[in-house]
Amino acid sequence: GDSVTQMEGPVTLSEEAFLTINCTYTATGYPSLFWYVQYPGEGLQLLLKATKADDKGSNKGFEATYRKETTSFHLEKGSVQVSDSAVYFCALSDGDNNAGNMLTFGGGTRLMVKP
Amino acid sequence: EPEVTQTPSHQVTQMGQEVILRCVPISNHLYFYWYRQILGQKVEFLVSFYNNEISEKSEIFDDQFSVERPDGSNFTLKIRSTKLEDSAMYFCASNRDTAGAYEQYFGPGTRLTVT
Repeated sequence: GDSVTQMEGPVTLSEEAFLTINCTYTATGYPSLFWYVQYPGEGLQLLLKATKADDKGSNKGFEATYRKETTSFHLEKGSVQVSDSAVYFCALSDGDNNAGNMLTFGGGTRLMVKP
Repeated sequence: EPEVTQTPSHQVTQMGQEVILRCVPISNHLYFYWYRQILGQKVEFLVSFYNNEISEKSEIFDDQFSVERPDGSNFTLKIRSTKLEDSAMYFCASNRDTAGAYEQYFGPGTRLTVT
């Protein structure tokens, strides 16, 4: 079945440092890929997405590129802020490109940014 | 901005008791989901619901679980006879029925503790 593997945390960085959170996936079909973020006490929020190979999703300074050849969707940000401290989840949705598909999540990576 | 809400935020129950977790999805959304996250583990899909019936369910979603949309606004998850291993954070999500609009909007979760 489908699966998502992401680097274990916590990841601790100083403000303005470069961030990479690795994510790789296994899927039988041609999935859509997502990064969700969970701030303390809140639900999961979509951070960015990509629906086909070589697509780059971006939002709030975060980027991730859909790499079909390496089955990866690594999350990057050039300069993190304390407010980026959260748990980040990589996820995929396999099957037809419609609204009803379930999400398969990675284990989540906690990011802590120190001033 | 519309959001998914869930009640209660924390539910404590004794083993063998029935619990009902409540969610109010975003009002113009048509697909509804339940996910759970056992502490320290991945977010796992439980069930999806569309047009007043289950459209997909995981192997976790056995006969002890049921879902209902009783009144056009609430979406509930019932666990008939709780077990210790049902202790987890339960997330509700919803999205629209528009091609490509597969972003799932998540609620803040209900933490269920079974003692």
